[in-house]
Amino acid sequence: AQSVTQPDIHITVSEGASLELRCNYSYGATPYLFWYVQSPGQGLQLLLKYFSGDTLVQGIKGFEAEFKRSQSSFNLRKPSVHWSDAAEYFCAVGANSGYALNFGKGTSLLVTP
Amino acid sequence: GAGVSQSPRYKVTKRGQDVALRCDPISGHVSLYWYRQALGQGPEFLTYFNYEAQQDKSGLPNDRFSAERPEGSISTLTIQRTEQRDSAMYRCASSTVAGGLPDTQYFGPGTRLTVL
Repeated sequence: AQSVTQPDIHITVSEGASLELRCNYSYGATPYLFWYVQSPGQGLQLLLKYFSGDTLVQGIKGFEAEFKRSQSSFNLRKPSVHWSDAAEYFCAVGANSGYALNFGKGTSLLVTP
Repeated sequence: GAGVSQSPRYKVTKRGQDVALRCDPISGHVSLYWYRQALGQGPEFLTYFNYEAQQDKSGLPNDRFSAERPEGSISTLTIQRTEQRDSAMYRCASSTVAGGLPDTQYFGPGTRLTVL
């Protein structure tokens, strides 16, 4: 069965610093990978997705992620974090059954001045 | 345009009562998914529909949980004889069907269920 691991429960970065959120997956075939962001009191918003092709994908709000098959990873990056990026970030893999998403437990991002 | 809407946004009920949670997907979206999110966890798949057909209900925890989408649009998730462990955020998502490939799932704001 597929699974997603987000090793970091909480991450704190200074505003303007770079960010990398880790995501590892376990899946036998080519995975369909997603990053979602959840702000307090808000729904889940898609940041970016990978289905095939170029392994470096660009998303909204200046985020990017790189699919590395050899490492079973799909880490999310941003060169310069803004205070408004403080939120919960979820990595997910699309499953076989109708592509229902299998989510990681999330990483909570805190941005300090 | 309107996104996925869910109602009620908050529901407080007593143990043993039945609750019905509603999801109104984006117009024209074929697939509809239900997830449950416990505090501090990621969303967990419950069930999904293509049009009015329930394709997979393997994520429903037990037979107290059921879902329907009779006209292929609005869906209702029903929990009978609620228990305190059912307390969670219930999220609905919808997507188009894109040639058999997965498509972006658009999530609603969720319904926060609290069972006392």
